[in-house]
Amino acid sequence: GAVVSQHPSRVICKSGTSVKIECRSLDFQATTMFWYRQFPKQSLMLMATSNEGSKATYEQGVEKDKFLINHASLTLSTLTVTSAHPEDSSFYICSARLQGHYNSPLHFGNGTRLTVT
Amino acid sequence: GDSVTQMEGPVTLSEEAFLTINCTYTATGYPSLFWYVQYPGEGLQLLLKATKADDKGSNKGFEATYRKETTSFHLEKGSVQVSDSAVYFCAHDMRFGAGTRLTVKP
Repeated sequence: GAVVSQHPSRVICKSGTSVKIECRSLDFQATTMFWYRQFPKQSLMLMATSNEGSKATYEQGVEKDKFLINHASLTLSTLTVTSAHPEDSSFYICSARLQGHYNSPLHFGNGTRLTVT
Repeated sequence: GDSVTQMEGPVTLSEEAFLTINCTYTATGYPSLFWYVQYPGEGLQLLLKATKADDKGSNKGFEATYRKETTSFHLEKGSVQVSDSAVYFCAHDMRFGAGTRLTVKP
């Protein structure tokens, strides 16, 4: 149980276009989802906390107008990279926590490799 | 603010060697602590956890003890295998350490 599906797994887009990444909890409800960016030397940077039905909470230094997060239901959060540029190329990972289980482990999607040309 | 500091590595060991990866944290209150593992080409998955001081989490031969007095949660394994080659992340709540890449050679 507790499967998180992230789509697409890979995407290539042209500079200036926008890309949407979906994160779905398949067999559980997730009030809170988290979006991360993983850098080449493996470090995992928390970008934002996505709360169902309310605005996302962004970490310091993350541009909220560039990385739009929507969490419209208890099973779906989306990250849209707007006006993408080559420096946005990275590996983006989402995770989710079971509803009502504060301090429980996170369940991760398999990530999305974004390449901006 | 809350943070996790982890030995960055990379770490290269021979099979059957002893492994320690250090992790310390700063946090308000007493959070649950976790170790996650990312095998090559796969997503992160929970390796073990501890929910309160002095708890020991264990799984697949790995262990970590929640030490409140030293704010630490070091990962250990007595005898590593080639199949343990992966990246290991220490975490509390949604905050992660930098990750440690472990390579085990036959």
